[in-house]
Amino acid sequence: GESVGLHLPTLSVQEGDNSIINCAYSNSASDYFIWYKQESGKGPQFIIDIRSNMDKRQGQRVTVLLNKTVKHLSLQIAATQPGDSAVYFCAENRGGSYIPTFGRGTSLIVHP
Amino acid sequence: SAVISQKPSRDICQRGTSLTIQCQVDSQVTMMFWYRQQPGQSLTLIATANQGSEATYESGFVIDKFPISRPNLTFSTLTVSNMSPEDSSIYLCSVTISGGVRETQYFGPGTRLLVL
Repeated sequence: GESVGLHLPTLSVQEGDNSIINCAYSNSASDYFIWYKQESGKGPQFIIDIRSNMDKRQGQRVTVLLNKTVKHLSLQIAATQPGDSAVYFCAENRGGSYIPTFGRGTSLIVHP
Repeated sequence: SAVISQKPSRDICQRGTSLTIQCQVDSQVTMMFWYRQQPGQSLTLIATANQGSEATYESGFVIDKFPISRPNLTFSTLTVSNMSPEDSSIYLCSVTISGGVRETQYFGPGTRLLVL
């Protein structure tokens, strides 16, 4: 399940399950969104992006959904694997800015 | 994408001293960025560094505390000056690369700093 810890929200899933990580953004002027994965001891790694004129974009095992009406972004990971265990950050670029603003992050724990 | 390396990968420093962190990219890039990530937290932008001009600092960060150099299109340094325990953090450099939907930021592995 999902819970809010001292620092980061945590999502625990079983290997093979599908994972959904959610992110809310506040600025309606944001026009570009990115998901990053940060494994322990490493820098954030680009996963997938989406422009505001789209509502869905698919990659390999990952799908990003954008709901501009409620300012909500989600990352779906299919058939989650232990290697998917990491902290996932959403980021938004605001109206023409090339510098993203990062969200709080969600820790995904995949149990074998 | 880009391959970004940082030196040192980690360090333990005494308060009052300074540490210079190096960032090397395997391709020429116009813009480089320095971020701070405190334990269990998200990323906070410190400054943007363009080659040939002074760095642009975000609110709450000043050049005297975090001087930055950008001598060419593949290299930058960030110095954390007169360190205190509150500076203990991960420092990340990043670059923007065109591709995908739009220009995207790629990050180095980070420098883990502990100030005693």
